[in-house]
Amino acid sequence: KAGVTQTPRYLIKTRGQQVTLSCSPISGHRSVSWYQQTPGQGLQFLFEYFSETQRNKGNFPGRFSGRQFSNSRSEMNVSTLELGDSALYLCASSEIAGTDLGELFFGEGSRLTVL
Amino acid sequence: EDQVTQSPEALRLQEGESSSLNCSYTVSGLRGLFWYRQDPGKGPEFLFTLYSAGEEKEKERLKATLTKKESFLHITAPKPEDSATYLCAVQAGLGTGKLIFGQGTTLQVKP
Repeated sequence: KAGVTQTPRYLIKTRGQQVTLSCSPISGHRSVSWYQQTPGQGLQFLFEYFSETQRNKGNFPGRFSGRQFSNSRSEMNVSTLELGDSALYLCASSEIAGTDLGELFFGEGSRLTVL
Repeated sequence: EDQVTQSPEALRLQEGESSSLNCSYTVSGLRGLFWYRQDPGKGPEFLFTLYSAGEEKEKERLKATLTKKESFLHITAPKPEDSATYLCAVQAGLGTGKLIFGQGTTLQVKP
């Protein structure tokens, strides 16, 4: 079956702009999590959605937001971009019932460069 | 504060030279410890879940073990295709996709 799909794969923005990233989870998966990966900080949790509800949120400023739609697809938005927002943004999906919790299936990520 | 520390940061091995990667953790109530593999330009790929001290899991040349303070990923007779970054993570709460990751160990296996 198809894996987690993230779009766009690469994008370049300038400071002050905003960006929206999209994630389509594996069919049947209802939980979507977002992570930011940078060389200095590694993988850091942004937020998690399940059935259109945000269940957890990481320690990121309010400029980072997300949502999940009824078909489980998710988007995250970063407003007023800063240079430090340059990173690989990873989306992961999982089933909640019947599988090892934490067995996340990651997409290939959206690489954001802020100039 | 929940924390995960991996060592070494980088490891170079000759093909067939076995070794171990370390993951030390401090967490208030371990729900699960996870190992992932990440290839350049790709998202992490799930390898193992460990839930309690003494538990072991194997997959091909990889074997993961867990104690109350750390986990080891043993690589037996590695091949060049085992070259990747190996990430360790702990689950911050039951039934959640919120994982706390270590910085990873980048493994290079030379033929």
